[in-house]
Amino acid sequence: KNEVEQSPQNLTAQEGEFITINCSYSVGISALHWLQQHPGGGIVSLFMLSSGKKKHGRLIATINIQEKHSSLHITASHPRDSAVYICAVSRGEGTDKLIFGTGTRLQVFP
Amino acid sequence: EAQVTQNPRYLITVTGKKLTVTCSQNMNHEYMSWYRQDPGLGLRQIYYSMNVEVTDKGDVPEGYKVSRKEKRNFPLILESPSPNQTSLYFCASSFEPMNTEAFFGQGTRLTVV
Repeated sequence: KNEVEQSPQNLTAQEGEFITINCSYSVGISALHWLQQHPGGGIVSLFMLSSGKKKHGRLIATINIQEKHSSLHITASHPRDSAVYICAVSRGEGTDKLIFGTGTRLQVFP
Repeated sequence: EAQVTQNPRYLITVTGKKLTVTCSQNMNHEYMSWYRQDPGLGLRQIYYSMNVEVTDKGDVPEGYKVSRKEKRNFPLILESPSPNQTSLYFCASSFEPMNTEAFFGQGTRLTVV
């Protein structure tokens, strides 16, 4: 079993829909990261959080440390949100080692 | 602009021909890493560096070498590439080892034939 599991693996939505991507992890962490990868492009960090909730524009990330679970929400989705969203956790072992989920591929249609 | 720059973006090479993928960051970050991304496996760490002249193996270091002679540069060296090293490679950097945002390069798509 992977230490970081994401669901769903693939997600399609109509423009304007509210989207939720889930991430569960089974190890102790110091922080959780949400990353965005566009087709053919690089990887961009969206959020890093260790507790509570963060918001940036239409994106909201939450984490529940006790349940070892995080969610990424996209409100009023748009076709430009189409990308792969990756959850990663920092083990906090004195290095910058990240453990990655396999990603959620999101397609938003007009 | 804060960025991590990788070169080349695309590379096709033959088995056994040594190659280097360069990575440079302009944020004065101490920590740099190399990852490979393969379908269904996600990103896996190859090597990381905590500072100049300090490097260590990640999860999949076999067949790779790195060096960190300057703070800004962290090249990835494949001395004798093999087809199983065909992958998408990312360099990343961060200011501190924990709890800081990671910045990623644009990726290098390597094909070994």
